[in-house]
Amino acid sequence: DVKVTQSSRYLVKRTGEKVFLECVQDMDHENMFWYRQDPGLGLRLIYFSYDVKMKEKGDIPEGYSVSREKKERFSLILESASTNQTSMYLCASSPNRAGYEQYFGPGTRLTVT
Amino acid sequence: KQEVTQIPAALSVPEGENLVLNCSFTDSAIYNLQWFRQDPGKGLTSLLLIQSSQREQTSGRLNASLDKSSGRSTLYIAASQPGDSATYLCAVRGGANSKLTFGKGITLSVRP
Repeated sequence: DVKVTQSSRYLVKRTGEKVFLECVQDMDHENMFWYRQDPGLGLRLIYFSYDVKMKEKGDIPEGYSVSREKKERFSLILESASTNQTSMYLCASSPNRAGYEQYFGPGTRLTVT
Repeated sequence: KQEVTQIPAALSVPEGENLVLNCSFTDSAIYNLQWFRQDPGKGLTSLLLIQSSQREQTSGRLNASLDKSSGRSTLYIAASQPGDSATYLCAVRGGANSKLTFGKGITLSVRP
């Protein structure tokens, strides 16, 4: 079974703090993704990566950065957390082969106060 | 720009009913379509993946169909159970390496 894990289920941070969200997958997938999910807005792609040290902006990259130093790990960084970044953050991975499914982690509920 | 719509946003049915969840998309040039289930406060679980060349996929009580030309997919749930209560999302992929575009989901409640 594919397993995608996220470092925290719940996180509370203060405005201005630097926040790291970690995602690890154990299936040697090339592709990894970070989404945020908000009521009424659905899932929106923040960043994705097709390979180690490679990253591409998604639909809403502003205020975020990412790091992928190892194939299995994809980190989302909030350089200076703001209250409008309070959200559910979901990580996903998939093989870089045609037609394969995307697998999601359990999510991190981040609250910025 | 691809847009994915799921209507209604919420649905409540009695246990045992067969039901259909709808998904529509604006650009018919899709690579595949995926249906997900999400329980409250949890991540997404993949239910079914339909390639653009396929018409339907089945898994247990679930059957998903795809009509690319009309930009529609349906998820059929047979003999619904309270445990089916969740949010169901569909997502389309525009190309082999392109990103998924998600609908906002349908929140299903199955009443005992």
